[in-house]
Amino acid sequence: GAVVSQHPSRVICKSGTSVKIECRSLDFQATTMFWYRQFPKQSLMLMATSNEGSKATYEQGVEKDKFLINHASLTLSTLTVTSAHPEDSSFYICSADAGGPSTDTQYFGPGTRLTVL
Amino acid sequence: GESVGLHLPTLSVQEGDNSIINCAYSNSASDYFIWYKQESGKGPQFIIDIRSNMDKRQGQRVTVLLNKTVKHLSLQIAATQPGDSAVYFCAETVNQAGTALIFGKGTTLSVSS
Repeated sequence: GAVVSQHPSRVICKSGTSVKIECRSLDFQATTMFWYRQFPKQSLMLMATSNEGSKATYEQGVEKDKFLINHASLTLSTLTVTSAHPEDSSFYICSADAGGPSTDTQYFGPGTRLTVL
Repeated sequence: GESVGLHLPTLSVQEGDNSIINCAYSNSASDYFIWYKQESGKGPQFIIDIRSNMDKRQGQRVTVLLNKTVKHLSLQIAATQPGDSAVYFCAETVNQAGTALIFGKGTTLSVSS
């Protein structure tokens, strides 16, 4: 099956620094990738939809200047958490759409655990 | 087996029991639904899906039921095993390429042997 990877799997950073998370589709091209955030014991919340070569679409309440998304190629999307604060500590998960005619071609990455001290 | 009429955050069953996990979805326009299993520290794992033109779909040890009238989805796991212990989420979407999934509240399934 299609594989999506995320790097790093776990990152700890100091408050005020920026962190970049990569999401890669390993064996298919993804015209669309999605970024989710999951706080402990909660569900996945959609942050943004990322289309290759265009600006990301952010969900209401998600600061686009804080969560920078770049989808420069059909196999890579990056999420940069700028000036991270402890409240940004969360599990960040991406999914990649293989671009079929329907939704049932989305594949999830293993997630990245961000801890901001 | 254990069943959950309404969504409950946790479900505890004995090994070998049948488990039923419920989910209410919100968007009447949603026409594609998926159940995911998530183990601690990992991304969601696809279990089974169903389109709105069906009301039941069976997989290996799992069955999904869809009731569009009341916007209700359920996941039945037969002969639950300790390895089934995880958090289960339902997700809904409009079945078009490039459309995001909207996740429901999860249910933590604990299976004791």
